[in-house]
This record gives sequence, structure tokens and C-alpha cells, in this order.
Amino acid sequence: EADIYQTPRYLVIGTGKKITLECSQTMGHDKMYWYQQDPGMELHLIHYSYGVNSTEKGDLSSESTVSRIRTEHFPLTLESARPSHTSQYLCASSAYSGAFFGQGTRLTVV
Amino acid sequence: GENVEQHPSTLSVQEGDSAVIKCTYSDSASNYFPWYKQELGKRPQLIIDIRSNVGEKKDQRIAVTLNKTAKHFSLHITETQPEDSAVYFCAASRNTGNQFYFGTGTSLTVIP
Repeated sequence: EADIYQTPRYLVIGTGKKITLECSQTMGHDKMYWYQQDPGMELHLIHYSYGVNSTEKGDLSSESTVSRIRTEHFPLTLESARPSHTSQYLCASSAYSGAFFGQGTRLTVV
Repeated sequence: GENVEQHPSTLSVQEGDSAVIKCTYSDSASNYFPWYKQELGKRPQLIIDIRSNVGEKKDQRIAVTLNKTAKHFSLHITETQPEDSAVYFCAASRNTGNQFYFGTGTSLTVIP
């Protein structure tokens, strides 16, 4: 079934660690996005990509990087995790309609 | 850039009543407006959308209206049920599938 897959679903990590959140989609979509969201609150765009080798920064892009080497894969890397990064991270993809979201990674930085 | 405002931030209705959530946008070039429902602990799900060449769209108990002149669009839920309780987000984009600008969300509670 076509979907967007995020791993891990939950992650607890120490301050200063480097982490990569994985996102893969089997929807065949060109566009992919990363959002940060505290439970039930606003969605903040971190990074987005319109296709392979294209990435753009959103409002909250500092301290993180993304890559888009394959259409279906859009990993997000936090170079040095901080407690302020504790949140839920949602990956999404779209084609000619609205975005479809993955189930999210809930990150806790201790 | 685009700025999407959403009201109210919280809304409580009795089961069976209607609920209306309103959004305004600033960029007159925006032409695609999706709505999302996010249940507690779950991912946002697209429930309905409207494009700028249409004034209204209905899908069973939900409908969306768009006023391009005033730059606002609304979500209408009729005959509300407890399972409609969730956070609802509006969004706007210039072309379908491009960068989405989200509203701040409305927490809807349907009281049985």
C-alpha cells in the first residue's frame, strides 16, 4: 500500500548527539517536506524538496540538514541534539494535491 | 510570503450541531486550499480541499467555501458527531503540491 514511512517512531537521545530521522514514501510524489509539531499545535516547516537534488530551508531549518538523493527518501539530520529539539517531527509528500503525512517521530532530547 | 490566520483556536459544540472554522490568507496568488484533521496522537489527514476556480465543495457532512475577493475560506461540518473531535488545520498554497502555509489549528470538541 502506498504510504509514507518514518523511523524511528520514538527516540530518546542525549544532548549533543547527532541523529538522523528517516522518511521514505511509496506514493511516487516529487515533493517532500519536514515539519516540526508539538502535540496538537502549529506545524512549522523545517525543510522541503521539489525533487531529487533540490532542497530548500523552511522557517526552522537551523541546526538541521536534509538530503534528497532518491525520489522516495528524504532523511533529516540534527547535527547536535538539544533539549529544545524535543518535539514531534512529521514528514510529508505531495504531488498535485494536498500533502500526505507520515506517522511521525517523537523525539526527546535529555 | 503567505500568511494564513485561523479562527477560532478552540470550538465546542453539542453533538448534532454545526461547526464552522474560518481561515484568511494574504497572498492573492494562492489557489489551492486543503483542510486537515488531526486526531489525538495521530498524523494530520487531508479531509477536503478546494481550488480557486470553485466557490464551494461538499463531501457528505463536510463542506468548504472560498471567497477569493475577501481572501477567506471556511470549513463547515454539519450534524457533528463525537468522532469529529480533533484539531483541524487549514492551509494555502500557490500551486497544488507546492509549499503549504498552515493555519494555527482549531481544536474542535463535540460534546455528546
